[in-house]
Amino acid sequence: GAVVSQHPSWVICKSGTSVKIECRSLDFQATTMFWYRQFPKQSLMLMATSNEGSKATYEQGVEKDKFLINHASLTLSTLTVTSAHPEDSSFYICSALRTKSYNEQFFGPGTRLTVL
Amino acid sequence: QQQVKQSPQSLIVQKGGISIINCAYENTAFDYFPWYQQFPGKGPALLIAIRPDVSEKKEGRFTISFNKSAKQFSLHIMDSQPGDSATYFCAANTGGGNKLTFGTGTQLKVEL
Repeated sequence: GAVVSQHPSWVICKSGTSVKIECRSLDFQATTMFWYRQFPKQSLMLMATSNEGSKATYEQGVEKDKFLINHASLTLSTLTVTSAHPEDSSFYICSALRTKSYNEQFFGPGTRLTVL
Repeated sequence: QQQVKQSPQSLIVQKGGISIINCAYENTAFDYFPWYQQFPGKGPALLIAIRPDVSEKKEGRFTISFNKSAKQFSLHIMDSQPGDSATYFCAANTGGGNKLTFGTGTQLKVEL
């Protein structure tokens, strides 16, 4: 199967600091990656679609200046939470789109962010 | 129209039994229907997926049944095991490469 990694798996930071989360597709190239946020016992909420070499497309209500996304290569997308606050504490998950015989999304293991 | 409705919210099944989770959609443009399995603290894992040109797809103990006219699809887990205890999400999109619309999830518990 296709492997997607995320780093770090968990992070604790102070309010006001910025945190960067990396998402890598390890065994395939992904021109498109997605970033999700998930609250406890809830479904996944799409934050943005990341396209290699172009600007990310953000979902309605997601602050693009707060959640900076950079898709610098075909295997790496990063999400930076700027000036993090306690309400940004959540489980952030990325997925990468593999376009083989079919288009399939494969998810990373997630990053638990806690803002104190 | 973009919603995918999933039921039940939670499900308890005895070991060896059949677990059935149902999803319904409104958008007739959806043409890709994956199921994801998620364990606590982990990312979702693609379990099985179907396209509307077939009515059923089976992979091991997991089967998707698809009813295009009713706009419904379901996941059947045969011979359910305690290790299957997880949250299951159905999803749908158009063209496979576009953003997924997720169901609300079903928390499955398989008891001994």
